[in-house]
Amino acid sequence: KNEVEQSPQNLTAQEGEFITINCSYSVGISALHWLQQHPGGGIVSLFMLSSGKKKHGRLIATINIQEKHSSLHITASHPRDSAVYICAVGSARQLTFGSGTQLTVLP
Amino acid sequence: GAGVSQSPSNKVTEKGKDVELRCDPISGHTALYWYRQSLGQGLEFLIYFQGNSAPDKSGLPSDRFSAERTGGSVSTLTIQRTQQEDSAVYLCASSGDRSGRQYFGPGTRLTVL
Repeated sequence: KNEVEQSPQNLTAQEGEFITINCSYSVGISALHWLQQHPGGGIVSLFMLSSGKKKHGRLIATINIQEKHSSLHITASHPRDSAVYICAVGSARQLTFGSGTQLTVLP
Repeated sequence: GAGVSQSPSNKVTEKGKDVELRCDPISGHTALYWYRQSLGQGLEFLIYFQGNSAPDKSGLPSDRFSAERTGGSVSTLTIQRTQQEDSAVYLCASSGDRSGRQYFGPGTRLTVL
């Protein structure tokens, strides 16, 4: 069993839909990161969470430490949100990465 | 301000040759990370530097891999006697602001023929 599991692996949505990507982990952590990787390969860090909830624009990330689960929500999705979304867990020293969720938002 | 930069952007080498990959982190960031992303695979931690502390090398896949960070800034990842399985995108990231986020460079795509 992988230490970090993401679901779904692939997600296709229509523009404007509300999107949820899930991440479950099996190890103790001090931080969880959500990353976005665009088709060209560049990686952008969206959030670093250790508890609760964070919001930035149309993106919301939540974490439940007791249940070892995090969700990334995208409201009013847009084709430019199409990317691979990666969950990573661990400490300040090193991270273990999920295999990513490929999101495609259709116009 | 300037982000994390890496050079070269692409490197093609022959099996058995040594390669050096460079990372310039964001100025003032004390933490620096190297990761590897093989084709069709997820990201894999390689090494972590924090200030003047001893690096965490636990992710290096073999003793052919080494890295150093000079003056707490620029870092070089060296792969000796490259093998075809070393072909991957090597990513560098730095962190050091209050957000705790890591800022990634564009990566170096290494191809070993």
